[in-house]
Amino acid sequence: QKEVEQNSGPLSVPEGAIASLNCTYSDRGSQSFFWYRQYSGKSPELIMSIYSNGDKEDGRFTAQLNKASQYVSLLIRDSQPSDSATYLCAVISSGSARQLTFGSGTQLTVLP
Amino acid sequence: NAGVTQTPKFQVLKTGQSMTLQCAQDMNHNSMYWYRQDPGMGLRLIYYSASEGTTDKGEVPNGYNVSRLNKREFSLRLESAAPSQTSVYFCAIGGQREKLFFGSGTQLSVL
Repeated sequence: QKEVEQNSGPLSVPEGAIASLNCTYSDRGSQSFFWYRQYSGKSPELIMSIYSNGDKEDGRFTAQLNKASQYVSLLIRDSQPSDSATYLCAVISSGSARQLTFGSGTQLTVLP
Repeated sequence: NAGVTQTPKFQVLKTGQSMTLQCAQDMNHNSMYWYRQDPGMGLRLIYYSASEGTTDKGEVPNGYNVSRLNKREFSLRLESAAPSQTSVYFCAIGGQREKLFFGSGTQLSVL
């Protein structure tokens, strides 16, 4: 059983819409959660981190964490074509000593 | 990717050949990592180093060795390359609260 699950997509949204990306994880003791964006042919870059239940907003991005349900989501408001990329969810599980486990990513396309 | 330098960017090997991927950082972080990325499988941890002189196995260490000789550099060695090691390799460094910063990657093909 994969520890971090994401819908691989592709997910397509029109420009200006809200894109919603979801991630579930298996280890209930996980404490740290991250969203990375990866453009085609490039390396991943961190866009959001979240450590406690609730919402965390940064510009057009909002990360949501629900530890009871073991899911973390990323909302992108006013989506732009430049947001088209693969979004990777990553989790530090309990007892893993700094090791991040990544989901396989969701490919997002924002249509002009 | 300023701060994390990976070399080479591309490499083609024949089965059985050896090579070393180099990673250097100038961000003065203790933690360094090697990941591989395959289509549909996300990033998988090969080895990591929590500090100078220490290394630990990750999820997929077989066929690889690593060396952390100093705080700046962390190398990954393939002693006898196999086609299953065809992948994109990323070095990363761990900042505060384990936020990772990635190098630009090495695209490796083993024929």
